[in-house]
Amino acid sequence: AQKVTQAQTEISVVEKEDVTLDCVYETRDTTYYLFWYKQPPSGELVFLIRRNSFDEQNEISGRYSWNFQKSTSSFNFTITASQVVDSAVYFCALVPGRRALTFGSGTRLQVQP
Amino acid sequence: GAGVSQTPSNKVTEKGKYVELRCDPISGHTALYWYRQSLGQGPEFLIYFQGTGAADDSGLPNDRFFAVRPEGSVSTLKIQRTERGDSAVYLCASSPTKTGELFFGEGSRLTVL
Repeated sequence: AQKVTQAQTEISVVEKEDVTLDCVYETRDTTYYLFWYKQPPSGELVFLIRRNSFDEQNEISGRYSWNFQKSTSSFNFTITASQVVDSAVYFCALVPGRRALTFGSGTRLQVQP
Repeated sequence: GAGVSQTPSNKVTEKGKYVELRCDPISGHTALYWYRQSLGQGPEFLIYFQGTGAADDSGLPNDRFFAVRPEGSVSTLKIQRTERGDSAVYLCASSPTKTGELFFGEGSRLTVL
């Protein structure tokens, strides 16, 4: 069975703080893809990153960075120097083998000015 | 438009009625997905099409739910004998490949009274 767990339901930080959103996944497939999506208050899901199971290299994109560790089945997302515009619900998701994208329950991030 | 288009954006209906929700994917995208999102939860997978055929319909909750994509482009999600528990935002997404980035529409908010 495949499963994505985002244990943090809500996080509140003050602007300019760094924040890490945790994601733990379960799958028996050896080939799979991991994603992060952002859902701002407007509601539309926005793609942030895709990573395949064979590429454990960490990635940085501006203030965003992702840490993929197969040994702990985790794919954590860090926002550096958070801004109010980062306030949203963030979803981690998994495409295991031949099955469709499975989302976690999301982490609501509130960045206070 | 260039994005995924969903109609109607809002639908209010009475318990027991029949409802159709339409999704117009990005041109050329062969993969099309339907998800359902209840308040405070992550999107829940319903069905995935590759071309005209349903590649995975394991997420449809029961036989009141049905979806078609007759020409491999526009898809319609059909819900018979609606129940109050069907109230949710129904999201459609398309992708050029199954493991690629999903592009989401703004969703159709269904309210069953």
